Amino acid sequence: DVKVTQSSRYLVKRTGEKVFLECVQDMDHENMFWYRQDPGLGLRLIYFSYDVKMKEKGDIPEGYSVSREKKERFSLILESASTNQTSMYLCASSPGVKNEQFFGPGTRLTVL
Amino acid sequence: TQLLEQSPQFLSIQEGENLTVYCNSSSVFSSLQWYRQEPGEGPVLLVTVVTGGEVKKLKRLTFQFGDARKDSSLHITAAQPGDTGLYLCAGVSNTGKLIFGQGTTLQVKP
Repeated sequence: DVKVTQSSRYLVKRTGEKVFLECVQDMDHENMFWYRQDPGLGLRLIYFSYDVKMKEKGDIPEGYSVSREKKERFSLILESASTNQTSMYLCASSPGVKNEQFFGPGTRLTVL
Repeated sequence: TQLLEQSPQFLSIQEGENLTVYCNSSSVFSSLQWYRQEPGEGPVLLVTVVTGGEVKKLKRLTFQFGDARKDSSLHITAAQPGDTGLYLCAGVSNTGKLIFGQGTTLQVKP
């Protein structure tokens, strides 16, 4: 059974803290994605990666960075968390850019 | 910028009723995907429609892709409480990225 796992389901951080969100997939997929999900706004793409050490900005990359050192792992980094980054963060992977995306369960991040 | 407008955003109906969710855009998509998301979980793909005018059925769910590949609809017949969830449409853009609609929260009351 295909699986995308995320390091935490819930996370509470303080303004200014550095935050790491980890995502691991076991399907040997080339592509991995980070989205944030907010009510009424759907899913918005933050960053994606189509290969190890490769990354591309999505629609809302400001305030975020990513790291992909291994094919199965894609990390999202908030360098200095702010309250407007309180959101649900979803990681996904896919075998090809236009293919079905497989999502993790999400991390609900609250920044106080 | 390609956008997908999804409507309605909220729907609360009684078990047994029919409903339709719409996704509309001024842009053409190479294909369109429908996902369903349950509380505490990530979205899961229901179907992909590729050809203009295509109709796909998944039990009581009927998905249609517009002739011009700019819009899509999801029709549920005789909704059940188990259909409750967030439904998301996502267009595959010309760059290969998914463009998501805002989502439709469906509540089916027994």
